[in-house]
Amino acid sequence: GQNIDQPTEMTATEGAIVQINCTYQTSGFNGLFWYQQHAGEAPTFLSYNVLDGLEEKGRFSSFLSRSKGYSYLLLKELQMKDSASYLCAEAVRGATNKLIFGTGTLLAVQP
Amino acid sequence: EAGVTQFPSHSVIEKGQTVTLRCDPISGHDNLYWYRRVMGKEIKFLLHFVKESKQDESGMPNNRFLAERTGGTYSTLKVQPAELEDSGVYFCASSQRTGTGGSEQYFGPGTRLTVT
Repeated sequence: GQNIDQPTEMTATEGAIVQINCTYQTSGFNGLFWYQQHAGEAPTFLSYNVLDGLEEKGRFSSFLSRSKGYSYLLLKELQMKDSASYLCAEAVRGATNKLIFGTGTLLAVQP
Repeated sequence: EAGVTQFPSHSVIEKGQTVTLRCDPISGHDNLYWYRRVMGKEIKFLLHFVKESKQDESGMPNNRFLAERTGGTYSTLKVQPAELEDSGVYFCASSQRTGTGGSEQYFGPGTRLTVT
């Protein structure tokens, strides 16, 4: 099966940069998603990587290495509102394209 | 454009009772997914509809869970009879397409189910 590993918690300072790592199993890989989830709210899409390399979108960037089964989410110029859970999810190839989630990384941004 | 909506937002029921959760996907999205997150665990896939057809229900825990999507629009997930271990947050998501490259899945806010 697929195992998604990411750190449980991270703490960073407002204005700083933080990198959240994620490793996954490569069988049936069909893309890697990052979602942001504030407590009690819906997970919201941040990024999608299916090819190797870095995808930049404003303050958020996501990187993928398929050979290593590794991805990271990079958050720059951290703001207090970035405090949330960040979910790494692997899309599994097939007619369903279901997502396999990690447990999420709870990021606390401090003043 | 309205996002994915779910009803109710919270439900508290007693063990042995029945609960029905509803999901309204984004209009035009043929793909509808149900996921569940139990306390302290990761979000896990339950099943996938393409229009009104069940494409994959490999994640359904047991036969106490029944999902339907009559007419290929909204979907319901019924738990009958509910057990304590069914407590958790049930998420619905929808997307436009599947296959190679996939498609972003848009999530609803979830229904928090508590079985006492």
